Amino acid sequence: GENVEQHPSTLSVQEGDSAVIKCTYSDSASNYFPWYKQELGKGPQLIIDIRSNVGEKKDQRIAVTLNKTAKHFSLHITETQPEDSAVYFCAASKGNSNSGYALNFGKGTSLLVTP
Amino acid sequence: DAGVIQSPRHEVTEMGQEVTLRCKPISGHNSLFWYRQTMMRGLELLIYFNNNVPIDDSGMPEDRFSAKMPNASFSTLKIQPSEPRDSAVYFCASRDGGNEKLFFGSGTQLSVL
Repeated sequence: GENVEQHPSTLSVQEGDSAVIKCTYSDSASNYFPWYKQELGKGPQLIIDIRSNVGEKKDQRIAVTLNKTAKHFSLHITETQPEDSAVYFCAASKGNSNSGYALNFGKGTSLLVTP
Repeated sequence: DAGVIQSPRHEVTEMGQEVTLRCKPISGHNSLFWYRQTMMRGLELLIYFNNNVPIDDSGMPEDRFSAKMPNASFSTLKIQPSEPRDSAVYFCASRDGGNEKLFFGSGTQLSVL
């Protein structure tokens, strides 16, 4: 099955700096790569996703890049703010939701943004 | 919509007791997932259902774990008998057939003493 590796497990940055989280996946058939943010005491929430036919996607201060050849994708957060502090999970899956595939998550990155 | 609703939010029980976790997915969503979160293993998929039918239960740790979805608006995850190593946060999530976005509940924090 799909194996998703995520690094680093913890990341501390100063407010205003950039943060980068990297993931690799094992199944070349995977074609959907979302990122979820989990705040303390809550369930994960989708913040951005990318499909295999796109190399990069941006939404305000967050962006995701995908390298299909190398089977890795990354989350970039620019101009970090204290409210960005949370646990971030990458995930991968193949097919679409109608085909019944589930998301396989990385182990998460705990991001701390210090003022 | 109230989102995915899980109950209870917290459960403390003694080893050997039966534990039942409950989930109400978002109305209209036809896929439901149970995940377990621990520090060591992150978010692990336990089982998921499409249209109330279990599709993949290969993540269920052992026979002590069972899950049911008797109708489109309710699912349970049961652990019998419970063990201390089952202590974790259990999440339920749902999505609709035309969208890959998962919506998570707030989770159940389970502590088995």
